[in-house]
Amino acid sequence: EILLTQSPATLSMSPGETATLSCRASESIGTFLAWYQQRPGQPPRLLIFDASRRATGIPGKFSGSGSGTDFTLTITSLEPDDFAVYYCQQRSNWPPVTFGGGTRVEMK
Amino acid sequence: QVQLMQSGGGVVRPGESLRLTCVASGFTFGDFDMHWVRQAPGKGLEWVAFIKFDGSSEKYDPSVRGRFAISRDNSNNILYLQMNSLRSDDTAVYFCARDAGGRTTLVLPKYWGQGVRVTVSS
Repeated sequence: EILLTQSPATLSMSPGETATLSCRASESIGTFLAWYQQRPGQPPRLLIFDASRRATGIPGKFSGSGSGTDFTLTITSLEPDDFAVYYCQQRSNWPPVTFGGGTRVEMK
Repeated sequence: QVQLMQSGGGVVRPGESLRLTCVASGFTFGDFDMHWVRQAPGKGLEWVAFIKFDGSSEKYDPSVRGRFAISRDNSNNILYLQMNSLRSDDTAVYFCARDAGGRTTLVLPKYWGQGVRVTVSS
């Protein structure tokens, strides 16, 4: 099973700042990594797939990068709606499909 | 627009069974792979099961294999999750999700239902 480790667990940011979230895989997964956003009480929303491709309708403020074992999600110009929990997910070697433990982006 | 309407959650005792239902609309259900993903209270996301668009293949997380069964009725646009021998650690919100791919499996849950709560407690 491929383990995904997200860091930090919590990121305290102010509106307008840029957030950088990390996801590390226990073995190489190429670029088969996705990022999801989950707001309280809502289902997850697919943001990024294949490490760097934005899903339909996702604004350019969200960008992904990385390959192999190290991946980054960058969110620029943080707005109130961006304060949420973000999960990475791998589809390189499954089952099982695995998710990271999440990073909470909270308002400072 | 894609809609996934879920039902079937509730409170059950350990060892009991429950069937979750997910009714799809807004797309050709029989053309898409489907997933179940769960989230324990205050915890992260955990993938549970997958079924191919035509029902020809199913995959499970080891924690539920042999106890849970995913199935689908393409004539009526319904996805099911039959959960047997439920345990306290199955307590979670269960989401159904449509894969991003068409008949090509991408393993990318893109469209999600609102989730149903399942509580297993004595």
